[in-house]
Amino acid sequence: GQNIDQPTEMTATEGAIVQINCTYQTSGFNGLFWYQQHAGEAPTFLSYNVLDGLEEKGRFSSFLSRSKGYSYLLLKELQMKDSASYLCAVREAGGFKTIFGAGTRLFVKA
Amino acid sequence: DAGVTQSPTHLIKTRGQQVTLRCSPKSGHDTVSWYQQALGQGPQFIFQYYEEEERQRGNFPDRFSGHQFPNYSSELNVNALLLGDSALYLCASSWDRSSYEQYFGPGTRLTVT
Repeated sequence: GQNIDQPTEMTATEGAIVQINCTYQTSGFNGLFWYQQHAGEAPTFLSYNVLDGLEEKGRFSSFLSRSKGYSYLLLKELQMKDSASYLCAVREAGGFKTIFGAGTRLFVKA
Repeated sequence: DAGVTQSPTHLIKTRGQQVTLRCSPKSGHDTVSWYQQALGQGPQFIFQYYEEEERQRGNFPDRFSGHQFPNYSSELNVNALLLGDSALYLCASSWDRSSYEQYFGPGTRLTVT
């Protein structure tokens, strides 16, 4: 079966660090994505991991462990504008289909 | 450089009607994917078009069909609308040679009454 699990909601304080976890079970694997989606807007691409390890891009980092079917998105120095939904998505192997999780709504408070 | 554009922005239809949604990909992109996003959920893959052909389809009934034109723009058609078809419909474009990087359009909000 295909399943992507991530927490429904998280709350963190401005300036802090937050880690959003994602676990997946899919029919094959050809990369994991993280997207940010503000309410009423389109998802925007944050990161792509296809090999194990940590990818860092400014305040955002993404980690992947293929053997564990696990990824996390790390957001540092949180800002109020980081309040959004964060979507974990997996590209199936041998195809073009991307499967999305339901998203984690992050609330950043002052 | 224009990004992905979609039209219309909002649409209200009645059960049983048909609807056509339109998408223009980002300049230089040749691949278009369509997604349905219900409120509070992640996007669900409907299908992907490349070289004017549907090359992969998600778990959606045949009421959902599409088309890609020679200029790479695309249409999504939904027949016999149901209340459950109410959702945000997102179009995403990419360049086939670098297909991991998808750019999403702003979406069309469809309400079926």
